[in-house]
Amino acid sequence: QQQVKQSPQSLIVQKGGISIINCAYENTAFDYFPWYQQFPGKGPALLIAIRPDVSEKKEGRFTISFNKSAKQFSLHIMDSQPGDSATYFCAASQTNTGNQFYFGTGTSLTVIP
Amino acid sequence: EAGVAQSPRYKIIEKRQSVAFWCNPISGHATLYWYQQILGQGPKLLIQFQNNGVVDDSQLPKDRFSAERLKGVDSTLKIQPAKLEDSAVYLCASSLFWGGEQYFGPGTRLTVT
Repeated sequence: QQQVKQSPQSLIVQKGGISIINCAYENTAFDYFPWYQQFPGKGPALLIAIRPDVSEKKEGRFTISFNKSAKQFSLHIMDSQPGDSATYFCAASQTNTGNQFYFGTGTSLTVIP
Repeated sequence: EAGVAQSPRYKIIEKRQSVAFWCNPISGHATLYWYQQILGQGPKLLIQFQNNGVVDDSQLPKDRFSAERLKGVDSTLKIQPAKLEDSAVYLCASSLFWGGEQYFGPGTRLTVT
């Protein structure tokens, strides 16, 4: 059973455009929602994370929007740059039971110059 | 601060052979995780340690996979005997405390022929 569903599988965006990646979860006990960025040959690196007590979190060009009632959250990359080309994974966990991460299937982002 | 170290970075073995991976977490991090990432998918947790004790190994195929974390620092993951479907990247991650942010190593890419 896929605990976290992620879409789209791949995304092509022009430089300067907005990249949007969506995730949905089922377990209402999840209380931590990180986004990871992964370059080829590298391990995932934490990009930004949110907890359900806020609806939005912004760090630089990266914003997480969180909709608790819909059990959905999304990553917005503003002013997308070619260096943002990578695979992005959303994840969810329940921190009071060991913080096991359930990852989405990933989105391959390509930013065209 | 040094990151999570893993070795080897690449390994090619034949099916039914055995293989071992090594992980050195970030200094002081109490929690250590091993993930399996199959090509095109998100990482899947195999086992989680808190100091040198196993917290969660519910998704570890115990008939062929084993892991240990000696003295609560380094960890090794072993596969014996390997199957074709074990071809994947094996990621190690650590966090400072239970429920804390996870930091990933570069992974070991295993190819079973």
